[in-house]
Amino acid sequence: QVQLVQSGAEVKKPGASVKVSCTASGYTFTSYGISWVRQAPGQGLEWMGWISGNNDKTHYAQKLQGRVTMTADTSTSTVYVELRSLRSDDTAVYYCARGIDYGDYLPVDHWGQGTLVTVSS
Amino acid sequence: DIVMTQSPDSLAASLGERATINCKSSQSVLYRSNNKNYLAWYQQKPGQPPKLLIYWASTRESGVPDRFSGSGSGTDFTLTISSLQAEDVAVYYCQQYYSSPLTFGGGTKVEIK
Repeated sequence: QVQLVQSGAEVKKPGASVKVSCTASGYTFTSYGISWVRQAPGQGLEWMGWISGNNDKTHYAQKLQGRVTMTADTSTSTVYVELRSLRSDDTAVYYCARGIDYGDYLPVDHWGQGTLVTVSS
Repeated sequence: DIVMTQSPDSLAASLGERATINCKSSQSVLYRSNNKNYLAWYQQKPGQPPKLLIYWASTRESGVPDRFSGSGSGTDFTLTISSLQAEDVAVYYCQQYYSSPLTFGGGTKVEIK
């Protein structure tokens, strides 16, 4: 069965960077893209961006451009999101999620368990 | 950016009643070349990641009960729960995937009256 397992919770200071991992199993990793979606406490969902399963294409939300990088390691079926220059409003649960097919702008049908990133001085 | 507006913010209905959630996009999400609406619905229960219910505005995801249905085209969409069950208590989100950034509605909280 398809599984996405994310790394554990992080606590960071403002201005620092964080890198969250998402390891996929149960399907052909290079055949599907992965999106990252975050959710601030008690708030709605925010799409951060997408990366192809073979690491040759990315799309980032404009508001995060310059601060976010998504990468994929096909040898370990793991996707990473790195967010730099952290601010308090980056405090959120970060989810990775697999697209329903290979294409870039698609809904997602399998989700990781979420990783809480807390930014606090 | 395409803005997705959901209504109502919350609703309470009795068990077995119909529940209807509306979603309006600030511009059309209908792609004329394939006549598909790039609109999805998700259900999120407390402490869980969202779950995909509907995509292409009306295609039910595998395993989703048939009491959930999606309709609409262009800019106006509806998620209907035909007979509300206790396990349907959740927050529901619409999402457009027509253009980047993919955007979500603000969510509709569904409760049992």
